[in-house]
Amino acid sequence: DAGVTQSPTHLIKTRGQHVTLRCSPISGHKSVSWYQQVLGQGPQFIFQYYEKEERGRGNFPDRFSARQFPNYSSELNVNALLLGDSALYLCASSHQIRQGGPYEQYFGPGTRLTVT
Amino acid sequence: GNSVTQMEGPVTLSEEAFLTINCTYTATGYPSLFWYVQYPGEGLQLLLKATKADDKGSNKGFEATYRKETTSFHLEKGSVQVSDSAVYFCALGGSGNTGKLIFGQGTTLQVKP
Repeated sequence: DAGVTQSPTHLIKTRGQHVTLRCSPISGHKSVSWYQQVLGQGPQFIFQYYEKEERGRGNFPDRFSARQFPNYSSELNVNALLLGDSALYLCASSHQIRQGGPYEQYFGPGTRLTVT
Repeated sequence: GNSVTQMEGPVTLSEEAFLTINCTYTATGYPSLFWYVQYPGEGLQLLLKATKADDKGSNKGFEATYRKETTSFHLEKGSVQVSDSAVYFCALGGSGNTGKLIFGQGTTLQVKP
């Protein structure tokens, strides 16, 4: 079975531009989460979507938005890019969510975004 | 709030040495605990997990035991290989009704032949 896929692999943008990152979850998985990983640090949670509804949001500005489609794929959008948005953006999928976990999530290879 | 603290790296070991990477956490409720590994240029791979106190997660020779009394989830391996060189992340998740994972800062392991 295919794992989590993300596109594009690498992206270079200029400050002030907009970017859209895409993610396809593992077949049968209904939950998609997005994380930002700055070089040398652990991933930081941005959003989680389950059954097309936002279920969690991290401490990121409103420039960051996301959505989930009927086929459970997802897009992460970032407006008005800043130099500090340069990072590896990771998508993770899981079969479901429920209180207590275990929230086993499977990560894609990531999209490397460079803002110049 | 919930948080995870890992021992700082890098950790440099010779092949076949014993590995311990310390991880402690702060959390309310009964979170699940995970170890993820990230090889150079790749995303994160789930290495092992534990969902309740005293559970031991294990995979590929790695082990970690969920210790509620010491709020720890230390990663161990009896004999490391060069191919184990990577960054290891301890993560906490499962509180409430979201799938949010909280990661430590990561520990780089370098194994020399």
